[in-house]
Amino acid sequence: DTAVSQTPKYLVTQMGNDKSIKCEQNLGHDTMYWYKQDSKKFLKIMFSYNNKELIINETVPNRFSPKSPDKAHLNLHINSLELGDSAVYFCASSQRLPTNEKLFFGSGTQLSVL
Amino acid sequence: AQSVTQPDIHITVSEGASLELRCNYSYGATPYLFWYVQSPGQGLQLLLKYFSGDTLVQGIKGFEAEFKRSQSSFNLRKPSVHWSDAAEYFCAVGSNTGKLIFGQGTTLQVKP
Repeated sequence: DTAVSQTPKYLVTQMGNDKSIKCEQNLGHDTMYWYKQDSKKFLKIMFSYNNKELIINETVPNRFSPKSPDKAHLNLHINSLELGDSAVYFCASSQRLPTNEKLFFGSGTQLSVL
Repeated sequence: AQSVTQPDIHITVSEGASLELRCNYSYGATPYLFWYVQSPGQGLQLLLKYFSGDTLVQGIKGFEAEFKRSQSSFNLRKPSVHWSDAAEYFCAVGSNTGKLIFGQGTTLQVKP
């Protein structure tokens, strides 16, 4: 069983469209994250949820909206997609929020905006 | 502000040779330090972590790292590299806001 699974693995879309990426973890963790990896492989946190509550919200355009229906799921919805949104988006989870927790990552969603 | 620097963007070593990947951090308090590995097309996997205690930590796949407070470093080492170690390696520091701050990564290429 995959611990952290995200879908789709690849997403190719036109500028201006709205798209969603889904993430589910079956580890029973309390905390989930979205990270963005750019073309230079730099990883940056976007959001963090703890027990469905938004904890970390980095300076991300408000076109990006995370939603956590329950603590096992954290979805990412992106409105009005732009070329600069092209990247690999990783979902991750950890047992708790403290900074010493191991993160478990999904295999990523490669988003290409044309 | 917390930050992580990996000075080497790309490293090539021969199979069987030893490896050291450098990591320097900036953090006001005692840091929580991590090394993650990313294989092509995959998510990141934790190799090892340091919170306190023994400054030499052992990880999976034969990796170890040494925390040196005086040098603000947490370098990753492996005595003998295998072809399957070719991947992207990320050093990270846990911040007091509850998020991981990653370095820019080091690409490891292994020559046969």
